[in-house]
Amino acid sequence: ETGVTQTPRHLVMGMTNKKSLKCEQHLGHNAMYWYKQSAKKPLELMFVYNFKEQTENNSVPSRFSPECPNSSHLFLHLHTLQPEDSALYLCASSQEEGEKLFFGSGTQLSVL
Amino acid sequence: AQSVSQHNHHVILSEAASLELGCNYSYGGTVNLFWYVQYPGQHLQLLLKYFSGDPLVKGIKGFEAEFIKSKFSFNLRKPSVQWSDTAEYFCAVIPDNYGQNFVFGPGTRLSVLP
Repeated sequence: ETGVTQTPRHLVMGMTNKKSLKCEQHLGHNAMYWYKQSAKKPLELMFVYNFKEQTENNSVPSRFSPECPNSSHLFLHLHTLQPEDSALYLCASSQEEGEKLFFGSGTQLSVL
Repeated sequence: AQSVSQHNHHVILSEAASLELGCNYSYGGTVNLFWYVQYPGQHLQLLLKYFSGDPLVKGIKGFEAEFIKSKFSFNLRKPSVQWSDTAEYFCAVIPDNYGQNFVFGPGTRLSVLP
């Protein structure tokens, strides 16, 4: 148990659906991250939030919309996704940006 | 439940010493294996990966890792470390069938003394 909890663990959605991924950390960290893990590819950093402010958006399409209402919660809102967006989406947190990461177990997303 | 363990929480070495960081996983099927590195103040970077083929994998910056299926291990090695190798090292496992959760190890902090 890393202290970073992601829900749901699995999600299947159609291309016209709207869904959200949730991440919660109980570690008192100030930085939170969304990563994308596609099969047989390295991790891709999507978004970074530090003290609730977005500090990095790694050229992510607008169909992915992050939200960080407070330093303990991070959401990834999904809208009109494509089948190639099917992947594992990992949340991570760290005490400060650039410090050691603590990962959640991920949400396995399938877009039909 | 699938898990990834890294034997050492913190390793301290002098420059030019040899390095071996242990990684073991509990999943019994076919796996894809990764080592990532996080340098101080920086984002995660891929060091090397194993999908299939030669179990001895060469990565960047002189790192290599050996997959030993019978031991469920994927240990990271470097013959001679440098001060610039000071970082956090993460082992990660993804099942080949991709139907189960991806797991990172807890990380090993490496400190190299000049």
